Amino acid sequence: TQLLEQSPQFLSIQEGENLTVYCNSSSVFSSLQWYRQEPGEGPVLLVTVVTGGEVKKLKRLTFQFGDARKDSSLHITAAQPGDTGLYLCAGATSGSRLTFGEGTQLTVNP
Amino acid sequence: DAGITQSPRHKVTETGTPVTLRCHQTENHRYMYWYRQDPGHGLRLIHYSYGVKDTDKGEVSDGYSVSRSKTEDFLLTLESATSSQTSVYFCAIGEYSGANVLTFGAGSRLTVL
Repeated sequence: TQLLEQSPQFLSIQEGENLTVYCNSSSVFSSLQWYRQEPGEGPVLLVTVVTGGEVKKLKRLTFQFGDARKDSSLHITAAQPGDTGLYLCAGATSGSRLTFGEGTQLTVNP
Repeated sequence: DAGITQSPRHKVTETGTPVTLRCHQTENHRYMYWYRQDPGHGLRLIHYSYGVKDTDKGEVSDGYSVSRSKTEDFLLTLESATSSQTSVYFCAIGEYSGANVLTFGAGSRLTVL
């Protein structure tokens, strides 16, 4: 069983601050996805990273896939209250299902 | 956004009773999944399907069964519900295996008393 560990589990910050969420594993993944989930809804895909060392930007969100494809990070610049939610990483090995991390609950206070 | 719907959205039942959750998709995706989400555990895969009548177990399949008689419907059954099965259940669909991008339903909250 591949395990994905996310840190921190909980993060409460003020509007305008920067933050980084980490997703780590001892396993190698062929790709890694980040989802955001809001209360009462299902997770929604933010990004997929495939190549080791890959960096993708989505407005104020920057996603990075580790060189060895075992870890990933999500950096948010100038966080806004609308960024509040549960952030989940999920890793895929070739031909198998996704393994999800436990999630990071982010609260951005106005 | 609809393309995947779950029913019921909320259910309260008693220990020992059977429960069936339904997932319906209009996207014609081949792959369908059932996950449960619990605090401290994230999303854990219960069962998945890779085609009509083709299903396989996930990491937490004990106490659950599934059926897929049509492309669009994937049923999750708890034959005899237990309190440990109190959870939020999510159905997801995907076009491909492996690095599959999943689209999730809104979830079904089940409480077993």
